[in-house]
Amino acid sequence: DSGVTQTPKHLITATGQRVTLRCSPRSGDLSVYWYQQSLDQGLQFLIQYYNGEERAKGNILERFSAQQFPDLHSELNLSSLELGDSALYFCASSPQTQNTEAFFGQGTRLTVV
Amino acid sequence: DAKTTQPNSMESNEEEPVHLPCNHSTISGTDYIHWYRQLPSQGPEYVIHGLTSNVNNRMASLAIAEDRKSSTLILHRATLRDAAVYYCILRDVRMDSNYQLIWGAGTKLIIKP
Repeated sequence: DSGVTQTPKHLITATGQRVTLRCSPRSGDLSVYWYQQSLDQGLQFLIQYYNGEERAKGNILERFSAQQFPDLHSELNLSSLELGDSALYFCASSPQTQNTEAFFGQGTRLTVV
Repeated sequence: DAKTTQPNSMESNEEEPVHLPCNHSTISGTDYIHWYRQLPSQGPEYVIHGLTSNVNNRMASLAIAEDRKSSTLILHRATLRDAAVYYCILRDVRMDSNYQLIWGAGTKLIIKP
């Protein structure tokens, strides 16, 4: 158990809909990262937050947004969903921005039908 | 970002050592070499990292070539539980955000009983 909790574990929704994925980082970790993993692919970095502020952005679509709340949990919002958005979405956390190790959650599997 | 090249898959027998290679010919002097693994249906898990010297921990050993253009992750005695996809990733210590990297497809390690 990495200490990072993601909910829900599975999500099935229709095209055009909007969903919210939630991540609770390890206790005390200030940095949260979001990744997308499509079928049989490596992870693609989406966005990072540190202590409530956006720190870095990867190839995140404009239809996607995220935020980190004062209690340090984070949410990833995906809107106007398309079939191609079906993927595993992982959240990871680390104590600071320059740690050598990140701890990953179990992921949320999103299926868009 | 410097890229890494890994074989798509490797097979090994249970209880034998496994050597997983990674080429990173464009590595810079400030790049750390990280290894993560992803077990089926799980999030990635940190394995080991290093800069120049060989490294050992309870999970594995990391052997880094003298010119740093390649490295090898060594599992000393593979078990069925080590069957996973292994990712070799470079992290620039100068970067404030470490995990913006695009992860490649990794090496799928198959352990035969």
